[in-house]
Amino acid sequence: SQQGEEDPQALSIQEGENATMNCSYKTSINNLQWYRQNSGRGLVHLILIRSNEREKHSGRLRVTLDTSKKSSSLLITASRAADTASYFCATDKYGGSQGNLIFGKGTKLSVKP
Amino acid sequence: GAGVSQTPSNKVTEKGKYVELRCDPISGHTALYWYRQSLGQGPEFLIYFQGTGAADDSGLPNDRFFAVRPEGSVSTLKIQRTERGDSAVYLCASSFTGSTEAFFGQGTRLTVV
Repeated sequence: SQQGEEDPQALSIQEGENATMNCSYKTSINNLQWYRQNSGRGLVHLILIRSNEREKHSGRLRVTLDTSKKSSSLLITASRAADTASYFCATDKYGGSQGNLIFGKGTKLSVKP
Repeated sequence: GAGVSQTPSNKVTEKGKYVELRCDPISGHTALYWYRQSLGQGPEFLIYFQGTGAADDSGLPNDRFFAVRPEGSVSTLKIQRTERGDSAVYLCASSFTGSTEAFFGQGTRLTVV
C-alpha cells in the first residue's frame, strides 16, 4: 500500500512561475526523498531530506519537512518547460529496510512556455 | 556501465506464460531494488537485494514472482503464469550500501495479453 499522497495531482503553470507540490505520509521515517519521472519511465533522484532536517536547498529546488505534520513540500523556483514531469515523494519506514521506499501517487507538473 | 540498464525495454507476453526481466546495476552498487509501477500510480516496492541475498522481499505480491542475483551484480525478476494484472512498468534501481539515493533504470514495460 502506498504511504501517502502528493497534492495537487496535477499542476499547470507558466514558465518562470514557481511550482509547489506537497506530500503527506503516514509513518515515522528516516528520510524523505523527491524524484522526477519523465514519460512514465525512469525516475531521477532530486533531493533527500533527513528526518532531523527542516529545510534543504539544491539549485532551484527547496524542500521542507514537517515531521509533526508528516508532510513535506517541494518548491521549484523559476520553472522551465524542461521541468514538465511527474514528481514523487518517497519515504523509508523508520526501522524498515533501506530499499523499501514507499512512493506517493505523484504530482503531474506541466510548465507552459 | 554508466547507468542502470534494464532489458528488454518492452515485453508483450500471453497470459499464462513465463517471463524474465533483467537488470544490470551501476558497477560497484551492492544494493539493488525492484519496483513495479502501474499506470497513474507511484512505484510499488517488490524486493531489495544486498549483495546476493534478498534483504527484504516483502513486496513480492505472490509466489508467482521470484528474483535472483546470483553473483551480486545482475538481477533477474521472474514471473510465472503471468496474468493480465501483472501488466506494468517494472523498474530496477541500485545504490551504494547505506545510501538511500537510488539510481533507476528506464524500466521494462510488461504487457500481458
